[in-house]
Amino acid sequence: GQQLNQSPQSMFIQEGEDVSMNCTSSSIFNTWLWYKQDPGEGPVLLIALYKAGELTSNGRLTAQFGITRKDSFLNISASIPSDVGIYFCAGLKAGSARQLTFGSGTQLTVLP
Amino acid sequence: DSGVTQTPKHLITATGQRVTLRCSPRSGDLSVYWYQQSLDQGLQFLIQYYNGEERAKGNILERFSAQQFPDLHSELNLSSLELGDSALYFCASSDSTDRGVNTEAFFGQGTRLTVV
Repeated sequence: GQQLNQSPQSMFIQEGEDVSMNCTSSSIFNTWLWYKQDPGEGPVLLIALYKAGELTSNGRLTAQFGITRKDSFLNISASIPSDVGIYFCAGLKAGSARQLTFGSGTQLTVLP
Repeated sequence: DSGVTQTPKHLITATGQRVTLRCSPRSGDLSVYWYQQSLDQGLQFLIQYYNGEERAKGNILERFSAQQFPDLHSELNLSSLELGDSALYFCASSDSTDRGVNTEAFFGQGTRLTVV
């Protein structure tokens, strides 16, 4: 079963607002990934984090790899309507042969 | 476009039947992963193949099996289908196994399986 606790489960925000979501785990991960999934599509990789403390940006998206290696957060600044979708965190452990453990997802709705 | 191709996009079949889902990884990727996404379970890892060999198994039922062919495409076989097998099945690929090299997995668009 899943080992990542992702929150919040859903968010309703106004266009232009900033958004923050996070994932926590009782286990240590070597890599944290953030994906976005649109309806009927596969998850699309947004940001990859490889080192504890790493802060990485991709346009309006910023993600951080927690110092304890047990958590990560994703921020979206100045949200726009196309940000709507489900955001998943995923973690990768050493020696795990690269199978990802996924969070349960955050459903983001952006209101005009 | 992730470069990972899955067919078919949709599949409707009856209980007890058997289906085969196909995945072509990104060019050059040796690893293929299969995931199941259902409403109540989220994304669950099923199985991984690397260069034709099974490398890791997750929550895969005995009724399910997979293989990776010499041209690196993979097939996921689901047999004795039950209503609860209805889900989205995703294939992902990456360019290495876990040998200290950090690489990301890229997902296909998925196959939506409906068992009626």
